Amino acid sequence: DAGVIQSPRHEVTEMGQEVTLRCKPISGHDYLFWYRQTMMRGLELLIYFNNNVPIDDSGMPEDRFSAKMPNASFSTLKIQPSEPRDSAVYFCASSLGLAGEETQYFGPGTRLLVL
Amino acid sequence: AQTVTQSQPEMSVQEAETVTLSCTYDTSESDYYLFWYKQPPSRQMILVIRQEAYKQQNATENRFSVNFQKAAKSFSLKISDSQLGDAAMYFCAYRTSGYALNFGKGTSLLVTP
Repeated sequence: DAGVIQSPRHEVTEMGQEVTLRCKPISGHDYLFWYRQTMMRGLELLIYFNNNVPIDDSGMPEDRFSAKMPNASFSTLKIQPSEPRDSAVYFCASSLGLAGEETQYFGPGTRLLVL
Repeated sequence: AQTVTQSQPEMSVQEAETVTLSCTYDTSESDYYLFWYKQPPSRQMILVIRQEAYKQQNATENRFSVNFQKAAKSFSLKISDSQLGDAAMYFCAYRTSGYALNFGKGTSLLVTP
């Protein structure tokens, strides 16, 4: 398996623009997670899905952020409008389940810079 | 809420030596799992080692081992025979079944020749 795939790897945009990050989880994994990594706050969980349904979005910072999972093999994280403070590395991860021993597999991340 | 604390922002070790990275956590749960993830400059998050709280035996994966002290809520990572490729950010993480991972802020490990 190719692992978790994220695109783009790097994104530079201007404040106010819409940004869409994409993720393809590992085939057969029922759970998909979106994390944000910044120097100040470390790794934060934004939202996660189970069988394409959002389960916990309490980590989504504000209404400018939205995430969807239209099918088992694709998810998007959208920021509209983007702001400089959204600059971070965004990770997607997937796992078979949420049992404690289940391993989460991470994608390579998308480095977002909002000017 | 569970918190994970890594008190060492940076650590340095010489090649072939041993280094220990510290992690403490706060929880009221009795059954949980602890993880160490490695993040090299490529940014890829790689699982290094995992420990189940109900197991008293410390987990070991080749040169990586943990010292799990449940009563003290401590979960340190020992890297033996350090190699240049071990240089990375190391994140301690906690989870209980049914919940996502909760990460510490990370420790940056520098390996010197």
